[in-house]
Amino acid sequence: EVQLVESGGGLVKPGGSLRLSCAVFRFSFTNAWMSWVRQAPGKGLEWVGRIKSKTDGGTADYAAPVKGRFTISRDDSKTTVYLQMNSLNSEDSAIYYCATDDGMYWGQGTLVTVSS
Amino acid sequence: QLVLTQSPSASASLGASVKLTCTLSSGHSNYAIAWHQQQPEKGPRYLMKVNSDGSHNKGDGIPDRFAGSRSGAERYLIISSLQSEDEADYYCQTWGAGIHVFGGGTKLTVL
Repeated sequence: EVQLVESGGGLVKPGGSLRLSCAVFRFSFTNAWMSWVRQAPGKGLEWVGRIKSKTDGGTADYAAPVKGRFTISRDDSKTTVYLQMNSLNSEDSAIYYCATDDGMYWGQGTLVTVSS
Repeated sequence: QLVLTQSPSASASLGASVKLTCTLSSGHSNYAIAWHQQQPEKGPRYLMKVNSDGSHNKGDGIPDRFAGSRSGAERYLIISSLQSEDEADYYCQTWGAGIHVFGGGTKLTVL
């Protein structure tokens, strides 16, 4: 069974940084494009960004609200995708999910709270 | 601009059927979409992809009660024989050039 496991969430002060990880198991990670999606409390799903497989260039695309502040990277040897979040503000408070780019597989999410 | 529009809420009786709609913005009527279910206090779960020709590809373990179809720019999720556990939020998702878009979600209440 495919499994995605996020970690790294927590409480961070405004202006701070946090790095989330998503470990992927029992899946062909090397060829996979991976996405991050977030959900603010009581709100809908919001796409954050995605990274292509290295075979397809390994580049990342981002949603407008996070562009320039967030960076997605991957380590194929660890079958892990990362989300580096800088200059955090209260609007970034959300549950962050990683998912395969086609949406077929999702992690359980990790909560990020930005508050002083 | 690529936008997905969903009604905020829907309701249907236990055992009945319901059709949820996701509408693609003008100029994007041939896009495929995915449907996801999010039960209370849980993460999203992939249901299916509805292709531009109306065919759909369901995820592992998704019951036959769930089906997808399309008409023009509209994509549908049809749930038959509604059960209490179908009470959830349903989101559609599509993919553009370098972006993903989610609809605002439909909250389904099973009466």
